[in-house]
Parts: sequence; C-alpha cells; structure tokens
Amino acid sequence: AQSVTQPDIHITVSEGASLELRCNYSYGATPYLFWYVQSPGQGLQLLLKYFSGDTLVQGIKGFEAEFKRSQSSFNLRKPSVHWSDAAEYFCAVGVGQNFVFGPGTRLSVLP
Amino acid sequence: EAQVTQNPRYLITVTGKKLTVTCSQNMNHEYMSWYRQDPGLGLRQIYYSMNVEVTDKGDVPEGYKVSRKEKRNFPLILESPSPNQTSLYFCASSPRDGAYGYTFGSGTRLTVV
Repeated sequence: AQSVTQPDIHITVSEGASLELRCNYSYGATPYLFWYVQSPGQGLQLLLKYFSGDTLVQGIKGFEAEFKRSQSSFNLRKPSVHWSDAAEYFCAVGVGQNFVFGPGTRLSVLP
Repeated sequence: EAQVTQNPRYLITVTGKKLTVTCSQNMNHEYMSWYRQDPGLGLRQIYYSMNVEVTDKGDVPEGYKVSRKEKRNFPLILESPSPNQTSLYFCASSPRDGAYGYTFGSGTRLTVV
C-alpha cells in the first residue's frame, strides 16, 4: 500500500545537539518530497522540498534533507538544534494529484 | 504578501447549525484543498479542487461540502455539524497540482457541542 511513515513519534534532544528525523515512503514512482514544520498553535510551514536533481536539499532555518532512492527515505537533519525548533515535523509526499502527510514527529528540546 | 487566509480562527457551534469556513488565496493558485488534523490521526484531506468548478473528494469527505466558484476562494461548508467534526481545519493552495506542495492557512479550530 502507498504510505508515508515517520518511525519516531516523539524525539527529545538537547539544545545544540544534532538532529535527524526519519521519513520513509512507499510508492511505485519517486514522488515529490516535502518537510513541513508546525509550531504549537500555528499552521504548517514548508521547510524544504525535493523534486529532482541534487539529493541533498537545503531549506530554511538551517535544515537540510537527503533523498536516498535505494532506501525510499527523505530524512531531515539539522547540525545544531535551537530551543525554537521544538515543534511537530511532517514529512509529505506528492504523487500525481495526491498529497499525503506522514503521521508527524514531535520534537522536544531540552535546555 | 503571498498567503492563504482562513476565517474564522476559532469557532464554537452547536450540533446541526450550518456553518461555513472561508478560505482565500492571493497567489493565483489552481489547486486548493481542505485538511483536518486530529490527534493520533494526523492530517487528512477532506476535499480538493483542481480549478474553478472542479472539485473532488479526499480521504474523509463525509459531512462536508465545498464549492469553487472563483479561483481564489474555496469555502468549506458543514451543513449539519456533529461533534465528531470537532477538529483543526487547514485550507491550502498549490500552483499546479498537489505534487508541487501546498501553502497552508493558519487553521480554524472548530468545536461542535
């Protein structure tokens, strides 16, 4: 079945530590890939997207993501987390007219 | 500023009282969509529209209606709201189809009592 998975429901990191959020998809063709962030009480903001080309994508707020076709993954990374990064992160996949979100990963940041 | 505007931000209503949540975008996008977000269930698509007068059901369309009479507007209509429609609703727009990614509104928190 076609799906988007984010294996980690909740991750806690210390401020200044590195971060990696995992995303895997299951689709026949390589879809368009996205990461969104939702701060508490806010809407969804696009962090970055991958359509084609360079598999390492740079986004806003110091985030990057790497597309790995062999693993059907699009993991989000940040080298040094700030307290303001505490939020919910959603991986999303666009295939044809469909746009599907993963279940989300909640990030907590310890001071 | 390019944006998707939803109104109202918060709404409390009673079961059975018809309501409309408005959505407007100023980016001349063709695609628009409505999602609802519920704890443990994530974001689920309710309806989407590919262009004026063209709409289709998403994953959870029951109990909702939409219309797209103008390119910029895509209202969500609950003709007889029920408590299970208590949720956080997002309107979103995309330049072509959903595969290009969406720009989201700020959300409408609806409570049906």
